[in-house]
Amino acid sequence: DQQVKQNSPSLSVQEGRISILNCDYTNSMFDYFLWYKKYPAEGPTFLISISSIKDKNEDGRFTVFLNKSAKHLSLHIVPSQPGDSAVYFCAASDSGGGADGLTFGKGTHLIIQP
Amino acid sequence: DGGITQSPKYLFRKEGQNVTLSCEQNLNHDAMYWYRQDPGQGLRLIYYSQIVNDFQKGDIAEGYSVSREKKESFPLTVTSAQKNPTAFYLCASSIRLAHNEQFFGPGTRLTVL
Repeated sequence: DQQVKQNSPSLSVQEGRISILNCDYTNSMFDYFLWYKKYPAEGPTFLISISSIKDKNEDGRFTVFLNKSAKHLSLHIVPSQPGDSAVYFCAASDSGGGADGLTFGKGTHLIIQP
Repeated sequence: DGGITQSPKYLFRKEGQNVTLSCEQNLNHDAMYWYRQDPGQGLRLIYYSQIVNDFQKGDIAEGYSVSREKKESFPLTVTSAQKNPTAFYLCASSIRLAHNEQFFGPGTRLTVL
């Protein structure tokens, strides 16, 4: 059973507009969430994270929002740029469990249209 | 430059052969991980290691083996018992096991013919 879900396999957004990528989770023990960006045939690179004690974290054009009651987080990219075209993975961890790494969603392929 | 290296980038093997994928890090991280990515799938954890000479099975360990003889190195062997070995393999490391942020290597694309 998938504990981290990214229900949109792909998303197309016009350059300059806002991109919103969504992620849902089912495990209430998750307390730390990350977004990774991945280009084809490369390893993922860390983008931004948020702890469960916060509901928003901002870094330049990237903002992550966390709604704990809904078990939902979203990544906002504004304005979207051509170089943002990539697959974005949502990941979650249970820090207290201290165990086996991150649980990843299946990814959303973001396509920025010129 | 600190980072994680994986070699080779592309690897081809005949069915029935074991193959070992290399992963080296110079970040002085204690924890290391191996993931597998298939098309349309997220990253699935194969094995992880908390410290030298220690490693644990992840979600899909069958058909794989690892060793952690040195802090910097965490090689993954894909054995002939792995039924669907063709995939993109990613190695990662973190400061320690419970530390959330993992750094990834560039990956190795393994194709079994």
